[in-house]
Amino acid sequence: DTAVSQTPKYLVTQMGNDKSIKCEQNLGHDTMYWYKQDSKKFLKIMFSYNNKELIINETVPNRFSPKSPDKAHLNLHINSLELGDSAVYFCASSRGGNTDTQYFGPGTRLTVL
Amino acid sequence: SQQGEEDPQALSIQEGENATMNCSYKTSINNLQWYRQNSGRGLVHLILIRSNEREKHSGRLRVTLDTSKKSSSLLITASRAADTASYFCATGTQGGSEKLVFGKGTKLTVNP
Repeated sequence: DTAVSQTPKYLVTQMGNDKSIKCEQNLGHDTMYWYKQDSKKFLKIMFSYNNKELIINETVPNRFSPKSPDKAHLNLHINSLELGDSAVYFCASSRGGNTDTQYFGPGTRLTVL
Repeated sequence: SQQGEEDPQALSIQEGENATMNCSYKTSINNLQWYRQNSGRGLVHLILIRSNEREKHSGRLRVTLDTSKKSSSLLITASRAADTASYFCATGTQGGSEKLVFGKGTKLTVNP
């Protein structure tokens, strides 16, 4: 029943490790996103994909690599984790373009020690 | 750079009172949206107002948009304790790389 789901909900890891966050939406939407919310609650877009094609890639370090195996899934892989990567990462989806109403997942709280 | 700026950053009111939050932005938009975020949860879409609209209602929510002043307001009437959350405006930017740009949010506390 969950529209946009993410796993895991919490992720605690050491600096230098590689980790992945998975996202799935069952809304039949064409566009999916990754956002990062920092400790001050500022939410910033990282990537958007439309039908498996990368549309937005905001000046994100290339340690972050999104992968969209199909239009219902958008995963985020992060290499060589750094302390500054600690944040809450949200996946979202929308029916059409990047300025349409967006539906958010519950978030993944990443803590890098 | 950040587009939307909400004001105030924090607002505390009593149940039954109205809450007004404001959002200012800098560039041209095609729409402006308001989202709610409960503590530890994802954002939930509340309302979308297009650039050619001036006012929109949804239940106890009223949103206004003044494109000449590049500002919007969200009014929640007859607030309830369950309205306690952070509220974000998001502007749908035009031209070039279209995307939603979020403000830092207003943290609303409704005291029972």
